[in-house]
Amino acid sequence: GQQLNQSPQSMFIQEGEDVSMNCTSSSIFNTWLWYKQDPGEGPVLLIALYKAGELTSNGRLTAQFGITRKDSFLNISASIPSDVGIYFCAGLRQGSGNTGKLIFGQGTTLQVKP
Amino acid sequence: ETGVTQTPRHLVMGMTNKKSLKCEQHLGHNAMYWYKQSAKKPLELMFVYNFKEQTENNSVPSRFSPECPNSSHLFLHLHTLQPEDSALYLCASSQEWGAYYEQYFGPGTRLTVT
Repeated sequence: GQQLNQSPQSMFIQEGEDVSMNCTSSSIFNTWLWYKQDPGEGPVLLIALYKAGELTSNGRLTAQFGITRKDSFLNISASIPSDVGIYFCAGLRQGSGNTGKLIFGQGTTLQVKP
Repeated sequence: ETGVTQTPRHLVMGMTNKKSLKCEQHLGHNAMYWYKQSAKKPLELMFVYNFKEQTENNSVPSRFSPECPNSSHLFLHLHTLQPEDSALYLCASSQEWGAYYEQYFGPGTRLTVT
């Protein structure tokens, strides 16, 4: 099935560094979502974006909905050890009959060295 | 707090057993979902209930049987499973099933079929 291309696949950074990850697709999406998943847990919604060009922040996290509606990025500033986990982008697109199809990226595994 | 709870968190069952997974959402949402997450594979949508009506069955084998008695509760009944069914089963909910309604996930049930 269709997937989003998420990069990088993994990152190993020093505490205090900034992090950037992105997702691209050949298709347009109505909504972009960013989730964080810890081992053995479900994805937790971090940021939701609804309009092309929208820039939204949640604490140290900032995400943008690409102007073409085919991409999105997530930045984490001043990383801390609890930022460790897998970050997923997800796009919602119109399905048949006003339904919404949620497509996930492959995930970015973030490790933070204290 | 995600507002979506799942029980049990861990389940080990034999191939001849019958068990059920339970999901409850406290968000006042009208759409609920079952997803399967296997190692190194993207999330797979299994079932969607929108306003208590099953509106999507993503070619899921009949050994998985969903039930949605009301808009707050969702069950997944399991019988005669196979070892390849071992995975993290995630429940999610959203205001409605559509391209502008973000989905909130529960913590998941880690299922092991022996």
